[in-house]
Amino acid sequence: DAGITQSPRHKVTETGTPVTLRCHQTENHRYMYWYRQDPGHGLRLIHYSYGVKDTDKGEVSDGYSVSRSKTEDFLLTLESATSSQTSVYFCAISGGSGDADTQYFGPGTRLTVL
Amino acid sequence: GQNIDQPTEMTATEGAIVQINCTYQTSGFNGLFWYQQHAGEAPTFLSYNVLDGLEEKGRFSSFLSRSKGYSYLLLKELQMKDSASYLCAVLDSNYQLIWGAGTKLIIKP
Repeated sequence: DAGITQSPRHKVTETGTPVTLRCHQTENHRYMYWYRQDPGHGLRLIHYSYGVKDTDKGEVSDGYSVSRSKTEDFLLTLESATSSQTSVYFCAISGGSGDADTQYFGPGTRLTVL
Repeated sequence: GQNIDQPTEMTATEGAIVQINCTYQTSGFNGLFWYQQHAGEAPTFLSYNVLDGLEEKGRFSSFLSRSKGYSYLLLKELQMKDSASYLCAVLDSNYQLIWGAGTKLIIKP
């Protein structure tokens, strides 16, 4: 499996507080993604990155920001968490040689906003 | 709009064969993926189809018909550990993955 870690794995926070989730990869893959997964929905793309300092919005980017200052790290920030952002967040990477389009997922972060 | 349809839930018996269907309508097509996701875990890659036809990988096979916007995942010799959700995803013209909501497969002894 691809070397991808996410931290924290679980977090409970209160409405209005800032939250930052971290994704770290050891595979030197170019592309990194943040998704959220909610019951009854497919994975929904929040933001993605195609290189250091190069990021773009996905389908559900409102209320989220990202940063990528190093190839291996991709941060997702909820500036002011709301209850609607309670979800499981997955980071994914792609761009490996031989299977450039295949995305590999981190273990996920379960976020609860009270 | 873009749409991926797959059944919400299916039930099958241990040792049997099950086929999970996926139909799609997307802006462009650059391949179709199947992932497996056990409860509480991350999705893991199963298969990739970009050309029409059947790709076989052990007990799992995946079929694609681009003209019909249709794929299926075939699981043979079902085992209890195959109980999971199976996610269909299409790589669209912008090389973004569009995901179905997943099919929860329940295996009974």
